[in-house]
This record gives sequence, structure tokens and C-alpha cells, in this order.
Amino acid sequence: SQTIHQWPATLVQPVGSPLSLECTVEGTSNPNLYWYRQAAGRGLQLLFYSVGIGQISSEVPQNLSASRPQDRQFILSSKKLLLSDSGFYLCAFTPREETQYFGPGTRLLVL
Amino acid sequence: SQQGEEDPQALSIQEGENATMNCSYKTSINNLQWYRQNSGRGLVHLILIRSNEREKHSGRLRVTLDTSKKSSSLLITASRAADTASYFCAGEEYGNKLVFGAGTILRVKS
Repeated sequence: SQTIHQWPATLVQPVGSPLSLECTVEGTSNPNLYWYRQAAGRGLQLLFYSVGIGQISSEVPQNLSASRPQDRQFILSSKKLLLSDSGFYLCAFTPREETQYFGPGTRLLVL
Repeated sequence: SQQGEEDPQALSIQEGENATMNCSYKTSINNLQWYRQNSGRGLVHLILIRSNEREKHSGRLRVTLDTSKKSSSLLITASRAADTASYFCAGEEYGNKLVFGAGTILRVKS
């Protein structure tokens, strides 16, 4: 069966520190992968999506970057976190079908 | 940018009543999807309706789509306390990209 993993579940980081959030998918090959951010009480904003290894599309300019070093691995990074980077980050995938399946999310608090 | 705009923003009903949430979108979509999110958790896919469909059912869920008005509605019949959650609509654009609305917070009181 297809599953998606995200970690860590919660992260508290100081301003200016680096960030690395990881997402992995099991049970499917060559999925589309997505990173979303959700501000408190709001909908989801698409940050990055990837249709294959090394292929990253950025939806909004920001302090973050994404990489896809392996087919089922998607990483969200930052060299220096800002206060405004706080939020709930969700990874998702589509196994070449229409429905997106979401991971459990990472809650990031930048202090 | 946000594709969908849900209304109401918040809805409080008694257990057993029906809950209706509406969504409007701006651009052309391949399909429209509804998701549910329990507090602080990931999203769970509820139902997908394609652009050439007008109505779809799944259990206690009924979704309609009016492409001429660029709007959709989600009806939950015979609501239960466990239906308490946030509900989001999302329009699928080119490349399986979903653009989400701000969501409706549903509270079902027992």
C-alpha cells in the first residue's frame, strides 16, 4: 500500500538557523511530490512541486528551497530561517492519479 | 494565490443536522476535490468531482459542481460529532497542482 512519511512532527528553531524537512513515499514509483505551507487558521499554499528526480518547480518566491535527490524523497530546506517561516508544512504525493495524499505534517516554530 | 473561497468560514450545527459548505473558484480546473483536516493533522481526501460531472455521492457526502458559476458545494447529511473538522476545497490545475481555499470550520455539537 502507498504511504507517506514526514518528519519531524514538531520543530522549534531559532531565527537564522538552517532547516531540513524530509518526506518519503512508499508503495509507488515516480509520483508527483508537493510541499505546502499552512498558516494558522488558513488554507494551504503550494510551495514546490516535482514531477521527477531533480525537477523542482517553485510556486512562490521565498526563503525556502526544495530538492528531490531520489524518486520517493522530497526535502524542504532553508539556509537561514525567518520568523515568517513558522507554520505547518505538509508534503503530498499523487501516484499518477488525480487524488493527492498528504503526510501528517511538520509544525515549525521559528523563535 | 488562492483558487477556492469557501463559505461559510465557520459553521456550528447540532448532531443529526445536515451541513452545507460552498466553494467558489477562479480559473479553469480539471477537477475539484474536497479534503478534511482534523486539528493539527494532515489532510484526508474526501471526494473528487471531475469538470464534466455535476453531482457525486460518497456515503453521507454529496458534492455538486457548477462549472458555469465556478462553484461547488459539499453536503454532509446526518452529521455526527466526529465530523467536526476543517473542510477545504481545492481545484486541480495543470500538472496535478491543487489550489486550496481558506476552508470552513465545522463544529457538530452532540
